[in-house]
Amino acid sequence: KQEVTQIPAALSVPEGENLVLNCSFTDSAIYNLQWFRQDPGKGLTSLLLIQSSQREQTSGRLNASLDKSSGRSTLYIAASQPGDSATYLCAVTMEYGNKLVFGAGTILRVKS
Amino acid sequence: DAGVIQSPRHEVTEMGQEVTLRCKPISGHNSLFWYRQTMMRGLELLIYFNNNVPIDDSGMPEDRFSAKMPNASFSTLKIQPSEPRDSAVYFCASSPASGYTFGSGTRLTVV
Repeated sequence: KQEVTQIPAALSVPEGENLVLNCSFTDSAIYNLQWFRQDPGKGLTSLLLIQSSQREQTSGRLNASLDKSSGRSTLYIAASQPGDSATYLCAVTMEYGNKLVFGAGTILRVKS
Repeated sequence: DAGVIQSPRHEVTEMGQEVTLRCKPISGHNSLFWYRQTMMRGLELLIYFNNNVPIDDSGMPEDRFSAKMPNASFSTLKIQPSEPRDSAVYFCASSPASGYTFGSGTRLTVV
C-alpha cells in the first residue's frame, strides 16, 4: 500500500527566505507526482505536475524535483512571501490505477 | 473553462436526512473522483469513475454512501441516512489522464 509522508508538518519562516518542503513515498512505481496548495477553507490548486520520467518542473518561484528511485520529491519556494502561506500537499498517482494518494500536508506560514 | 463545479457549497442537515452532492467535471476529462477531507484523516478517496464507469469504490465508508455518474458531465454522491460523523468537506476532481483539477468542495455539516 502506497504511503506518502510530508516533512515538516508545519513551517514558519520570515519573508524572503528560500525554503524546501519534502515529500516521500514508499512505492516507487508511480505514474506521476503532483504538488497542490490549499488555502484555509478552500479547495486544492494544482501547482506542479511531474511525470515519472521527469526530474523536475518549474513555475515562477516554485521548483519541484522528483527522484523516483529513492521515493522522494521536494518543492522549493524561492524568496517566500506572506501570500505563500497555505497548506502544501504532495500526491502521487500509481501506475496501476488513477488514484491519487495524498500526504498529510505541510502548513506553511510566511511572516512579514 | 469554468473548472470543476460542485454544488452546494455548504450543506447543513439533520441526522437521518438524505444528502446529495453534485459535481460537473471539466468537459473532456474522462476520470472523476470523489474525495472527503477531515482534520483527523486528511484527504481520502471515496470512489472514482473512468468513462462514467465506477472503477474503485473501496473507499466508500458504508452502504449509506452511493455515487453515480449517469453521463460524462454529471456525478452525484448521496448519503442516506446522514450521520454527524459524515461532517466533512467533500471534493470532486476530474482528470484527462494525467493531472487533477479539484472543485471548490462542499462543506457538509450533519447536526
